Amino acid sequence: AQTVTQSQPEMSVQEAETVTLSCTYDTSESDYYLFWYKQPPSRQMILVIRQEAYKQQNATENRFSVNFQKAAKSFSLKISDSQLGDAAMYFCAYWGGSQGNLIFGKGTKLSVKP
Amino acid sequence: NAGVMQNPRHLVRRRGQEARLRCSPMKGHSHVYWYRQLPEEGLKFMVYLQKENIIDESGMPKERFSAEFPKEGPSILRIQQVVRGDSAAYFCASSPGQGTYNSPLHFGNGTRLTVT
Repeated sequence: AQTVTQSQPEMSVQEAETVTLSCTYDTSESDYYLFWYKQPPSRQMILVIRQEAYKQQNATENRFSVNFQKAAKSFSLKISDSQLGDAAMYFCAYWGGSQGNLIFGKGTKLSVKP
Repeated sequence: NAGVMQNPRHLVRRRGQEARLRCSPMKGHSHVYWYRQLPEEGLKFMVYLQKENIIDESGMPKERFSAEFPKEGPSILRIQQVVRGDSAAYFCASSPGQGTYNSPLHFGNGTRLTVT
Protein backbone atom coordinates (compact mmCIF):
# COMPACT_ATOMS: atom_id res chain seq x y z
CA ALA A 1 0.00 0.00 0.00
CA GLN A 2 1.11 3.51 -0.70
CA THR A 3 2.15 5.71 2.21
CA VAL A 4 3.10 9.34 2.58
CA THR A 5 5.43 10.52 5.36
CA GLN A 6 6.02 14.06 6.54
CA SER A 7 8.75 13.87 9.15
CA GLN A 8 8.51 17.47 10.37
CA PRO A 9 5.46 18.03 12.59
CA GLU A 10 6.33 21.72 12.94
CA MET A 11 8.57 24.21 11.16
CA SER A 12 9.26 27.88 11.66
CA VAL A 13 10.60 30.50 9.26
CA GLN A 14 11.39 34.19 9.45
CA GLU A 15 9.37 36.44 7.20
CA ALA A 16 11.06 36.90 3.79
CA GLU A 17 13.27 33.84 4.33
CA THR A 18 13.09 30.46 2.58
CA VAL A 19 11.84 27.23 4.11
CA THR A 20 11.71 23.66 2.83
CA LEU A 21 9.12 21.12 3.93
CA SER A 22 9.95 17.43 3.52
CA CYS A 23 7.81 14.64 2.14
CA THR A 24 8.66 11.06 1.26
CA TYR A 25 6.36 8.39 -0.10
CA ASP A 26 6.38 4.71 -0.74
CA THR A 27 4.94 3.17 -3.89
CA SER A 28 5.57 0.45 -6.42
CA GLU A 29 3.75 2.34 -9.16
CA SER A 30 5.59 4.17 -11.91
CA ASP A 31 2.86 6.59 -12.90
CA TYR A 32 1.40 8.82 -10.20
CA TYR A 33 0.85 12.40 -9.13
CA LEU A 34 2.01 14.35 -6.12
CA PHE A 35 0.43 17.40 -4.53
CA TRP A 36 0.97 19.90 -1.76
CA TYR A 37 -2.11 21.31 -0.05
CA LYS A 38 -2.24 24.20 2.39
CA GLN A 39 -4.75 24.29 5.25
CA PRO A 40 -4.98 27.66 7.03
CA PRO A 41 -6.93 28.05 10.29
CA SER A 42 -10.09 28.52 8.21
CA ARG A 43 -9.78 24.78 7.55
CA GLN A 44 -10.10 25.12 3.78
CA MET A 45 -7.81 22.81 1.78
CA ILE A 46 -6.04 24.83 -0.89
CA LEU A 47 -4.03 23.23 -3.69
CA VAL A 48 -0.56 24.81 -3.71
CA ILE A 49 1.35 22.85 -6.35
CA ARG A 50 1.27 19.54 -8.21
CA GLN A 51 3.74 17.29 -10.00
CA GLU A 52 3.39 14.46 -12.48
CA ALA A 53 5.81 11.63 -11.75
CA TYR A 54 6.83 11.15 -15.37
CA LYS A 55 7.91 14.78 -15.66
CA GLN A 56 11.48 15.32 -14.54
CA GLN A 57 11.15 19.09 -14.43
CA ASN A 58 10.27 20.38 -10.99
CA ALA A 59 6.97 22.24 -10.76
CA THR A 60 6.97 25.93 -9.82
CA GLU A 61 4.11 28.23 -8.83
CA ASN A 62 5.31 31.75 -8.03
CA ARG A 63 7.07 31.54 -4.63
CA PHE A 64 6.40 27.81 -4.32
CA SER A 65 8.56 25.15 -5.95
CA VAL A 66 9.20 21.48 -5.44
CA ASN A 67 12.27 19.28 -5.44
CA PHE A 68 11.06 15.99 -6.90
CA GLN A 69 13.49 13.10 -6.60
CA LYS A 70 11.72 10.10 -8.10
CA ALA A 71 14.41 7.53 -7.33
CA ALA A 72 14.54 8.65 -3.71
CA LYS A 73 10.72 8.97 -3.57
CA SER A 74 11.07 12.45 -2.18
CA PHE A 75 8.87 15.47 -2.88
CA SER A 76 9.86 18.52 -0.85
CA LEU A 77 8.20 21.95 -0.99
CA LYS A 78 10.25 25.12 -0.99
CA ILE A 79 8.61 28.41 -0.05
CA SER A 80 10.66 31.46 -0.97
CA ASP A 81 10.22 34.97 0.45
CA SER A 82 7.92 33.63 3.16
CA GLN A 83 4.93 35.78 4.06
CA LEU A 84 2.78 35.88 7.17
CA GLY A 85 -0.10 34.49 5.13
CA ASP A 86 1.91 31.33 4.45
CA ALA A 87 1.39 30.21 8.05
CA ALA A 88 -0.72 27.07 7.87
CA MET A 89 -0.68 23.28 7.92
CA TYR A 90 0.87 21.85 4.77
CA PHE A 91 -0.08 18.40 3.56
CA CYS A 92 1.74 16.30 1.01
CA ALA A 93 -0.53 13.97 -0.97
CA TYR A 94 -0.13 11.09 -3.42
CA TRP A 95 -2.44 9.92 -6.17
CA GLY A 96 -1.59 6.68 -7.95
CA GLY A 97 -3.09 4.87 -10.88
CA SER A 98 -4.28 1.89 -8.87
CA GLN A 99 -6.47 3.75 -6.44
CA GLY A 100 -9.00 6.47 -6.98
CA ASN A 101 -8.23 8.79 -4.12
CA LEU A 102 -5.61 11.00 -2.52
CA ILE A 103 -3.38 9.65 0.24
CA PHE A 104 -2.26 12.36 2.65
CA GLY A 105 0.66 12.71 5.01
CA LYS A 106 0.08 13.87 8.58
CA GLY A 107 1.06 17.42 7.80
CA THR A 108 3.63 20.03 8.81
CA LYS A 109 2.57 23.08 10.77
CA LEU A 110 4.42 26.12 9.43
CA SER A 111 4.80 29.26 11.52
CA VAL A 112 6.06 32.52 10.02
CA LYS A 113 7.74 34.98 12.37
CA PRO A 114 7.54 38.71 11.60
CA ASN B 1 -18.40 29.74 -10.03
CA ALA B 2 -19.11 28.81 -6.45
CA GLY B 3 -16.74 26.34 -4.84
CA VAL B 4 -17.61 23.14 -3.05
CA MET B 5 -20.26 23.95 -0.47
CA GLN B 6 -20.54 21.98 2.73
CA ASN B 7 -23.08 22.43 5.45
CA PRO B 8 -23.39 22.71 8.26
CA ARG B 9 -20.01 24.14 9.14
CA HIS B 10 -20.33 22.91 12.69
CA LEU B 11 -22.57 20.12 13.95
CA VAL B 12 -23.05 19.01 17.54
CA ARG B 13 -24.73 15.71 18.26
CA ARG B 14 -25.25 13.68 21.42
CA ARG B 15 -24.17 10.08 21.50
CA GLY B 16 -26.68 7.87 19.74
CA GLN B 17 -28.08 10.58 17.47
CA GLU B 18 -27.75 10.73 13.71
CA ALA B 19 -25.51 13.15 11.84
CA ARG B 20 -26.16 14.24 8.24
CA LEU B 21 -23.46 16.12 6.40
CA ARG B 22 -24.19 17.74 3.06
CA CYS B 23 -21.94 18.53 0.14
CA SER B 24 -22.78 20.39 -3.05
CA PRO B 25 -19.98 19.93 -5.59
CA MET B 26 -18.72 22.64 -7.86
CA LYS B 27 -20.87 23.28 -10.91
CA GLY B 28 -20.08 20.76 -13.60
CA HIS B 29 -18.43 18.31 -11.20
CA SER B 30 -19.95 14.85 -11.08
CA HIS B 31 -17.36 13.14 -8.87
CA VAL B 32 -17.47 13.51 -5.10
CA TYR B 33 -15.06 12.31 -2.42
CA TRP B 34 -15.46 12.31 1.35
CA TYR B 35 -12.50 12.49 3.71
CA ARG B 36 -12.24 12.53 7.50
CA GLN B 37 -9.64 14.47 9.46
CA LEU B 38 -8.99 13.56 13.06
CA PRO B 39 -7.18 16.10 15.28
CA GLU B 40 -3.47 16.46 14.45
CA GLU B 41 -3.88 14.06 11.50
CA GLY B 42 -4.02 14.26 7.74
CA LEU B 43 -7.15 13.57 5.76
CA LYS B 44 -8.21 9.94 5.40
CA PHE B 45 -10.24 8.78 2.41
CA MET B 46 -13.71 7.44 3.13
CA VAL B 47 -15.75 7.12 -0.05
CA TYR B 48 -15.82 8.11 -3.73
CA LEU B 49 -19.12 8.59 -5.54
CA GLN B 50 -20.40 9.56 -8.92
CA LYS B 51 -24.00 10.50 -9.53
CA GLU B 52 -26.17 7.69 -8.12
CA ASN B 53 -23.20 5.33 -7.78
CA ILE B 54 -20.72 4.45 -5.08
CA ILE B 55 -17.42 3.81 -6.84
CA ASP B 56 -15.12 3.11 -3.91
CA GLU B 57 -16.10 2.86 -0.26
CA SER B 58 -12.97 1.12 0.94
CA GLY B 59 -12.31 3.79 3.57
CA MET B 60 -15.78 3.80 5.03
CA PRO B 61 -16.43 2.08 8.37
CA LYS B 62 -18.60 -0.97 7.77
CA GLU B 63 -21.27 0.01 10.27
CA ARG B 64 -23.24 3.20 10.94
CA PHE B 65 -21.75 5.14 8.00
CA SER B 66 -23.37 5.57 4.60
CA ALA B 67 -23.07 7.96 1.69
CA GLU B 68 -25.15 8.83 -1.30
CA PHE B 69 -24.98 11.19 -4.27
CA PRO B 70 -28.44 11.30 -5.85
CA LYS B 71 -29.23 12.41 -9.37
CA GLU B 72 -30.60 15.65 -7.98
CA GLY B 73 -29.32 17.40 -4.88
CA PRO B 74 -26.23 17.29 -2.74
CA SER B 75 -24.15 14.35 -1.64
CA ILE B 76 -24.99 13.20 1.89
CA LEU B 77 -22.72 11.51 4.41
CA ARG B 78 -24.83 9.92 7.10
CA ILE B 79 -23.58 8.68 10.45
CA GLN B 80 -26.05 6.77 12.56
CA GLN B 81 -25.83 6.35 16.34
CA VAL B 82 -22.81 8.61 16.63
CA VAL B 83 -20.11 7.91 19.21
CA ARG B 84 -17.43 10.22 20.62
CA GLY B 85 -14.84 8.70 18.28
CA ASP B 86 -16.78 10.09 15.31
CA SER B 87 -15.82 13.62 16.35
CA ALA B 88 -13.71 14.96 13.50
CA ALA B 89 -13.71 17.33 10.54
CA TYR B 90 -15.36 15.81 7.48
CA PHE B 91 -14.31 17.16 4.11
CA CYS B 92 -15.96 16.83 0.75
CA ALA B 93 -14.08 17.28 -2.50
CA SER B 94 -15.25 17.28 -6.10
CA SER B 95 -13.76 17.00 -9.57
CA PRO B 96 -15.14 17.02 -13.10
CA GLY B 97 -13.66 13.60 -13.81
CA GLN B 98 -11.80 11.07 -11.73
CA GLY B 99 -9.29 13.16 -9.86
CA THR B 100 -5.91 13.33 -11.52
CA TYR B 101 -3.26 15.91 -12.24
CA ASN B 102 -5.47 17.64 -14.82
CA SER B 103 -8.58 17.21 -12.75
CA PRO B 104 -7.44 17.87 -9.19
CA LEU B 105 -9.79 17.72 -6.27
CA HIS B 106 -11.41 20.93 -5.04
CA PHE B 107 -12.22 20.80 -1.35
CA GLY B 108 -14.98 22.35 0.70
CA ASN B 109 -14.38 24.00 4.07
CA GLY B 110 -15.40 20.90 5.94
CA THR B 111 -17.98 20.12 8.61
CA ARG B 112 -16.70 19.82 12.15
CA LEU B 113 -18.72 17.19 13.98
CA THR B 114 -18.62 17.18 17.76
CA VAL B 115 -20.23 14.32 19.64
CA THR B 116 -21.01 15.05 23.27
